[in-house]
Amino acid sequence: GIQVEQSPPDLILQEGANSTLRCNFSDSVNNLQWFHQNPWGQLINLFYIPSGTKQNGRLSATTVATERYSLLYISSSQTTDSGVYFCAVERWNTDKLIFGTGTRLQVFP
Amino acid sequence: SAVISQKPSRDICQRGTSLTIQCQVDSQVTMMFWYRQQPGQSLTLIATANQGSEATYESGFVIDKFPISRPNLTFSTLTVSNMSPEDSSIYLCSAGSGTEYGSYTFGSGTRLTVV
Repeated sequence: GIQVEQSPPDLILQEGANSTLRCNFSDSVNNLQWFHQNPWGQLINLFYIPSGTKQNGRLSATTVATERYSLLYISSSQTTDSGVYFCAVERWNTDKLIFGTGTRLQVFP
Repeated sequence: SAVISQKPSRDICQRGTSLTIQCQVDSQVTMMFWYRQQPGQSLTLIATANQGSEATYESGFVIDKFPISRPNLTFSTLTVSNMSPEDSSIYLCSAGSGTEYGSYTFGSGTRLTVV
């Protein structure tokens, strides 16, 4: 099956810092989403981004489908950004979302 | 995207018992899914809940342990049967179509502890 690896596995930041999270996947995909899982376990859909670049406030994401990776940028981080960030991909004609290994982010004041 | 209500939000259960988790979607959706998230781990797909037919299980998951119902296009249940402490996890349901206007969304999860 498809492999979805995220890096770094853990990230500790001070409030106000910027960060880049990476997602590598081993096969062609027709869907890629980034999620934030808050400390209460809820998964929040951040971006639907099978290709190209999108921005939403302090967050932006870029997917280079031909090179099989995606990046999530967090600028001016806040303590509320803490949690686990997952990318998830869907291979063509599978109708299944497969999750990456996750990046655990801790932002301290 | 669909809005999903999941319940219960958490439960503590005795080993050997069963728990049924419910998932209600605010609109009709073709695809519904159940995931398990073991402590400190990523999400693993258990099965796809098919309306009007048997669920499709992923490798390592069987119907006897995780029976699933999907009576209509807005509702599904997952039962965790004959529970052991190893079943302690967060269970999440999901719905969507993999498109921008129907991108996959998730219920708030059920945090299960088996004692």
